[in-house]
Amino acid sequence: EVQLLESGGGLVQPGGSLRLSCAASGFTFSSYAMSWVRQAPGKRLECVSSVTGSGHTTHYADSVKGRFTISRDNSKNTLYLQMHSLRAEDTALYFCAGHSAGYYFDSWGQGTLVTVSS
Amino acid sequence: EIVLTQSPATLSMSPGDRATLSCRASQSFSSYLAWYQQKPGQAPRLLIYDASNRATGIPARFSGSGSGTDFTLTISSLEPEDFAVYYCQQHSNWPLTFGGGTKVEIK
Repeated sequence: EVQLLESGGGLVQPGGSLRLSCAASGFTFSSYAMSWVRQAPGKRLECVSSVTGSGHTTHYADSVKGRFTISRDNSKNTLYLQMHSLRAEDTALYFCAGHSAGYYFDSWGQGTLVTVSS
Repeated sequence: EIVLTQSPATLSMSPGDRATLSCRASQSFSSYLAWYQQKPGQAPRLLIYDASNRATGIPARFSGSGSGTDFTLTISSLEPEDFAVYYCQQHSNWPLTFGGGTKVEIK
C-alpha cells in the first residue's frame, strides 16, 4: 500500500525558513515523480513544485520560484521542500503527492500545516 | 498558464440524483484532465485521469468526458458518500493547475 507521511510544518515568522519532508513507503519511490501541492484556506489547490523520479528535473510555480527548492533522496525514500523567505500567503496545508504515470496525482499524504505569521 | 473554471460552484442534490459537473479551460489542450474528490479533513482522491479513465477502485457511477476546453464529470446516481468537493486538474502543461472546485451538497 502506498503511504506518504509529511512532517516539518509549523508556525514561522515572515521571512523565515522551513523544511518539509515526506517519507514514502509501499512502492518503488525512485520510479515516481513527486510533487508538493498546497491548499490555503478559501483558495484552490496549487501545485508548487514537482520533481522527476531521478531528481534531475524540477518545476516550480511562479509564486515560489527562487524561494522554494524541491529535492529527493531515493536512498531514503524521502521527498523534501526547502522553503525560504516565507510570506503570509504561503500559509497552507502542504500535501506530498505522487505520480505513477502522467502528471496527475494518484497518491497523497495527509498534509502538514505551514502557518506564516508574526 | 491554463486556467480552469468549474461550474456550478455548488450543486444541491439528493441521493439517487444524477450529477453533472463542468470544467472549462482557458485554452485548448488534449485530454490530460483529472478529477478529484475531497472530503473535509482529507486529502483529495483521484477519480478520473486522461479525461475519461477511472482510477483504481473508483466505482463505475463516476465517469468523465470531454476534450479541448470542455470537460464533464458525471455521477450517475449519487450515493451518500459522494457528497464532497470535486476538483478538476489539467496534467498537460506546467504549471499544473486546478479548478476552483464544485461542492456537491445534500439538498
